[in-house]
Amino acid sequence: GAVVSQHPSRVICKSGTSVKIECRSLDFQATTMFWYRQFPKQSLMLMATSNEGSKATYEQGVEKDKFLINHASLTLSTLTVTSAHPEDSSFYICSAKRDYEQYFGPGTRLTVT
Amino acid sequence: ELKVEQNPLFLSMQEGKNYTIYCNYSTTSDRLYWYRQDPGKSLESLFVLLSNGAVKQEGRLMASLDTKARLSTLHITAAVHDLSATYFCAVDHNQGGKLIFGQGTELSVKP
Repeated sequence: GAVVSQHPSRVICKSGTSVKIECRSLDFQATTMFWYRQFPKQSLMLMATSNEGSKATYEQGVEKDKFLINHASLTLSTLTVTSAHPEDSSFYICSAKRDYEQYFGPGTRLTVT
Repeated sequence: ELKVEQNPLFLSMQEGKNYTIYCNYSTTSDRLYWYRQDPGKSLESLFVLLSNGAVKQEGRLMASLDTKARLSTLHITAAVHDLSATYFCAVDHNQGGKLIFGQGTELSVKP
């Protein structure tokens, strides 16, 4: 089966700093990856679509200057939360698309103090 | 705008009982996904339904898709405690891979 990894799995940072989260497809190439955010006891909300070699497409209401997405290769997409604030604390999950399947990473829990 | 609604949102069941979770969506799509999420974990894929009338079964879970009614169901047979989790349905918007999720159904199976 296809495997998607995320790093780090958990990060605590101070308000005002930036945090980078990596999403890797380990055994397949993914031209398209997705980033989701999940607050406690809520559903997953799509933040953006990450396309290899081109700019990410952001969903309405998601600040592209705050959540920087780079899809530098067919196996790696990164999400950088810039100038993080406590309200950015959440569970961030990436997925990689292969054919009609979506393969989800294990998630990154971000806590901003 | 595609909307996906699940019901019920909370479900407390006794072991051995049967129940159905419903997933309604607002626009045409023939790709529907069911996932399980345990507390603090990411998503585990359960079923991928790709056409009208699709039915898939795995153990005590069975999922079906009616694209004309824009409805999918996840049926639980003879529930056991290990099935306690949150279940999400998701619809692929425009078949481009963007998944729109339902609110989730928190299932608790009690002895």
